[in-house]
Amino acid sequence: QVQLQESGPGLVKPSETLSLTCTVSGGSISSYYWSWIRQPPGKGLEWIGDFYYSGSTNYSPSLKSRVTISVDPSKNQFSLKLNSVTAADTAVYYCARAAIAVATAFDIWGQGTMVTVSS
Amino acid sequence: QSVLTQPPSVSGAPGQRVTISCTGSSSNIGAGYDVHWYQQLPGTAPKLLIYGNSNRPSGVPDRLSGSKSGTSASLAITGLQAEDEADYYCQSYDSRLSGYVFGTGTKVTV
Repeated sequence: QVQLQESGPGLVKPSETLSLTCTVSGGSISSYYWSWIRQPPGKGLEWIGDFYYSGSTNYSPSLKSRVTISVDPSKNQFSLKLNSVTAADTAVYYCARAAIAVATAFDIWGQGTMVTVSS
Repeated sequence: QSVLTQPPSVSGAPGQRVTISCTGSSSNIGAGYDVHWYQQLPGTAPKLLIYGNSNRPSGVPDRLSGSKSGTSASLAITGLQAEDEADYYCQSYDSRLSGYVFGTGTKVTV
């Protein structure tokens, strides 16, 4: 059973860089799309970006200038970096898998990690 | 902001049928991209309910069904149960934004 687990600081100062890691267990990081999705408190879901195991990445236009998603296949992990954060970046951050077998829907999600941007 | 519009809330009595609409445009649902539906219980991660417009993953009861027509999609829940109280989100791909988009979300009250 594939499981995803997010990790990283729960508090980031304004203007600094938010860094999170998603560890994939129970399966390989190959042959799937891997995304980061966030949800501000009391609000809806926002897709941040994804990468395919072949190395291609895609980012939300609204965040593209501040986001980097990278992968470490040796550790079965992928990471999110969001720079120049503000209070508007306060949210629960989820990592999720999209599989072609389910029409690239997000079929597996991490439990989410709350990140607060505050001084 | 979300490019897929859902009603903020729907409600129904136990046993009744409710539907949740998801309205998009010619750059997402209307362009033929698949629509997926998720259920989010309070304090938990979203769970995939429907993929590819109308397909249910293993374990999802057949009380839930999805459909798509034109620039819109719908999720129907029949035989409403207390455990169905949750937030529901539709999701698709948008060619103008070159990325995935979610609906505004609908709170279902039983």
